[in-house]
Amino acid sequence: QKEVEQNSGPLSVPEGAIASLNCTYSDRGSQSFFWYRQYSGKSPELIMSIYSNGDKEDGRFTAQLNKASQYVSLLIRDSQPSDSATYLCAENTGGFKTIFGAGTRLFVKA
Amino acid sequence: DVKVTQSSRYLVKRTGEKVFLECVQDMDHENMFWYRQDPGLGLRLIYFSYDVKMKEKGDIPEGYSVSREKKERFSLILESASTNQTSMYLCATLGTATNTGELFFGEGSRLTVL
Repeated sequence: QKEVEQNSGPLSVPEGAIASLNCTYSDRGSQSFFWYRQYSGKSPELIMSIYSNGDKEDGRFTAQLNKASQYVSLLIRDSQPSDSATYLCAENTGGFKTIFGAGTRLFVKA
Repeated sequence: DVKVTQSSRYLVKRTGEKVFLECVQDMDHENMFWYRQDPGLGLRLIYFSYDVKMKEKGDIPEGYSVSREKKERFSLILESASTNQTSMYLCATLGTATNTGELFFGEGSRLTVL
């Protein structure tokens, strides 16, 4: 059974700090990795995707992938209260199925 | 922008009732999915479809069926609703042409079975 594991949190950080969200996956064949943000009562929306080892930056967000360690992370710099949400890690092995972690709840305190 | 519309945001049904959840997308995406989301379990794939009239079981298909008669519409059917099917149901689409793997979600349908 392919799995994506995340710490459920909640992770609480002060406004302006760096929030670090982590995820591990079990399938070494996974090729694509995603971070979705889900506000309470809303549907998930994609914020980052990463396909190769290393870092990928987009504004305040940086995704990091280490395939050897089967580890994906998301860093949020200068965290804002509006970043408070559940962050879902997901992976895809190249087919139609995307497997999601259970999500990490993030609270950014003003 | 991709628009994925789910017909009902909130439903309350009784055990044994037949339930239809509809999803319509306007971006000509080939692939459509039904997930359910439960606290602590994340999103679990129920069924998906990669073409009209084609369907594939996901990880938890038991108690569900689907229908895709037109490219833009994908329906989830609960033949006889049970209390353990109380959940948030999310429809999603995936466009093959862009090949980014990004899923676009509808707003969700929260189903309560009494």
